[in-house]
Amino acid sequence: NAGVTQTPKFRILKIGQSMTLQCAQDMNHNYMYWYRQDPGMGLKLIYYSVGAGITDKGEVPNGYNVSRSTTEDFPLRLELAAPSQTSVYFCASSGAYQETQYFGPGTRLLVL
Amino acid sequence: RKEVEQDPGPFNVPEGATVAFNCTYSNSASQSFFWYRQDCRKEPKLLMSVYSSGNEDGRFTAQLNRASQYISLLIRDSKLSDSATYLCVVTVYPSGTYKYIFGTGTRLKVLA
Repeated sequence: NAGVTQTPKFRILKIGQSMTLQCAQDMNHNYMYWYRQDPGMGLKLIYYSVGAGITDKGEVPNGYNVSRSTTEDFPLRLELAAPSQTSVYFCASSGAYQETQYFGPGTRLLVL
Repeated sequence: RKEVEQDPGPFNVPEGATVAFNCTYSNSASQSFFWYRQDCRKEPKLLMSVYSSGNEDGRFTAQLNRASQYISLLIRDSKLSDSATYLCVVTVYPSGTYKYIFGTGTRLKVLA
């Protein structure tokens, strides 16, 4: 099992550019999450999904969009990148709420 | 008051020492509790769940005190490889949706 995979590992964007962060899991988990982690801060939830076709906003959704067309994939879209979106992005999945979350290796994003 | 608070440390301890961290949470209706470990520039990984009666996994012991609203992590016989940041995670259930609240972490350095 690969668990949760994320691509790319690292990316530099110019202000105003767009990109999609990919996330996939092979554990047949219904629940998937996107977090961002800024230096010295806790993880902040951007968006989450409770199953294919169902997504909802977390604490810090502005500037991001998600889709969940399959159980396995949960891409995060950044439109019009801004320096404030410089962060490490983690995707996670769990079998159900309140169960252990399994994290991907993260994507480091730098917006200049 | 933050929903989940942790002493950021760092806790510098010699090999073989016993060290304990606490984590306080503000919502008395919090449901589930976890300790995650995060190595530098890596994803968080589950260390252990925390059960009401307390639980132990090898050198690690976790306790929950609902009355005082804190959880603790005790590490015995510290190893160099225990050096990491330990994240406290609490789940809450506001407005019909479960949320995972992450603390900002306690940094542990085990010294040779």
